[in-house]
Amino acid sequence: EVQLVESGGGLVQPGESLRLSCVASGFTFSSYWMSWVRQAPGKGLEWVADIKQDGSDKYYVDSVKGRFTISRDNAKNSLYLQLNSLRAEDTAVYYCARGATTVTARGYFDSWGQGTLVTVSS
Amino acid sequence: AIRMTQSPSSFSASTGDRVTITCRASQGISSYLAWYQQKPGKAPNLLMYASSTLRSGVPSRFTGSGSGTDFTLTISCLQSEDFATYYCQQYYTYPFTFGPGTKVDIK
Repeated sequence: EVQLVESGGGLVQPGESLRLSCVASGFTFSSYWMSWVRQAPGKGLEWVADIKQDGSDKYYVDSVKGRFTISRDNAKNSLYLQLNSLRAEDTAVYYCARGATTVTARGYFDSWGQGTLVTVSS
Repeated sequence: AIRMTQSPSSFSASTGDRVTITCRASQGISSYLAWYQQKPGKAPNLLMYASSTLRSGVPSRFTGSGSGTDFTLTISCLQSEDFATYYCQQYYTYPFTFGPGTKVDIK
């Protein structure tokens, strides 16, 4: 069974940093594109970033470029999101999501974690 | 960025109804469109990809169609477990973008 388990969320003040983690199991993690998707309270879904299987390619939504960094450790079956210079508008549940093994199908997500809540408030 | 819109934003329906949700992209995305179902407090669940390919295990009452800029998700006979919010998402180009969602609730 595919499982994705996020952790690392919490309450931080504007300008602070946080590192989210996602541990994968039940599939060959190193074979898949992986993404982070967020959802502000009561709002819709927003794709944040994704990363290629070997970590060589990374893409971000404009609103987080230069502040967030996606990374992975295939030996640990883990995906990370480093969040710096946090703003109130970054408050959301952050989901780890599995893409695909091929570049053409990488952009839809067939498995999701339960999410971890990041709250940015003074 | 490609903007995705959905209509209606919400509506009420009854069990057994046939319902259709429309999704429109601000520019052509070929068939690079996915549909998700989300229930309160839960992560989204993939229903459909490549516009009309049903994910394994998803009931056949769900069908998708469209290409280019206009897409539809149809539920042929609404069941109680289908009351949820539905999102479309384009993965034609970065940044991947979602529609604002369509909430289907009980009439």
